[in-house]
Amino acid sequence: QVQLVESGGGVVQPGRSLRLSCAASGFTFSNFAMHWVRRAPGKGLEWVAVISYDGSKTYNTESVKGRFMITRDNSKKTLYLQMDSLRTEDTAVYYCARGSGYSSFTWFDSWGQGTLVTVSS
Amino acid sequence: EIVMTQSPATLSVSPGERATLSCRASQSVSSNLAWYQKKPGQAPRLLIYAASTRATGIPARFSGSGSGTEFTLTISSLQSEDFAVYYCQQYNNWPLTFGGGTKVEIK
Repeated sequence: QVQLVESGGGVVQPGRSLRLSCAASGFTFSNFAMHWVRRAPGKGLEWVAVISYDGSKTYNTESVKGRFMITRDNSKKTLYLQMDSLRTEDTAVYYCARGSGYSSFTWFDSWGQGTLVTVSS
Repeated sequence: EIVMTQSPATLSVSPGERATLSCRASQSVSSNLAWYQKKPGQAPRLLIYAASTRATGIPARFSGSGSGTEFTLTISSLQSEDFAVYYCQQYNNWPLTFGGGTKVEIK
């Protein structure tokens, strides 16, 4: 079955960097757009970024533009989120989510368990 | 950005009763709307996509309706495992956006 396992979260100081990973299994990774979605403490879900099935196109939400970069390695079936210049408001559980197919405009049909990122001095 | 507004914020329902959750979009999203269930400590779970299509393995007591700007998720007879937070999400425009959630709690 589809499995998405995030890693790389932790406590980091404002202004520092962190890289999240999401290991995929149980499906043909290279056939699906992939997303990062986050949930800040006490708040709702917020879509962060998407990468196309072949890695050629990416889109970010405005609040992370110029700071976060989504990438993928289809040979390793792994999704990444490079987070630079972290801010306290980036504190959240970060979920890796699979899009429903090749399209980046889609719903999320499978989710990982999430990894917690805490930005604090 | 399309703003998704869910109501009510909290819904108190007795087991076996019907729950009706609303989601409104600030502009038309056609039928490009999904619903998710979120329980504490668990990953979100897809319930409905394309406004009214149940995802694989989702019980028939969950149903979605609507198009354009007004959408509804109905749980026909609440089971104990259905008490959770529910989110709607539009995928018609960038950025993809979620509603603020409706918490369904035991009355």
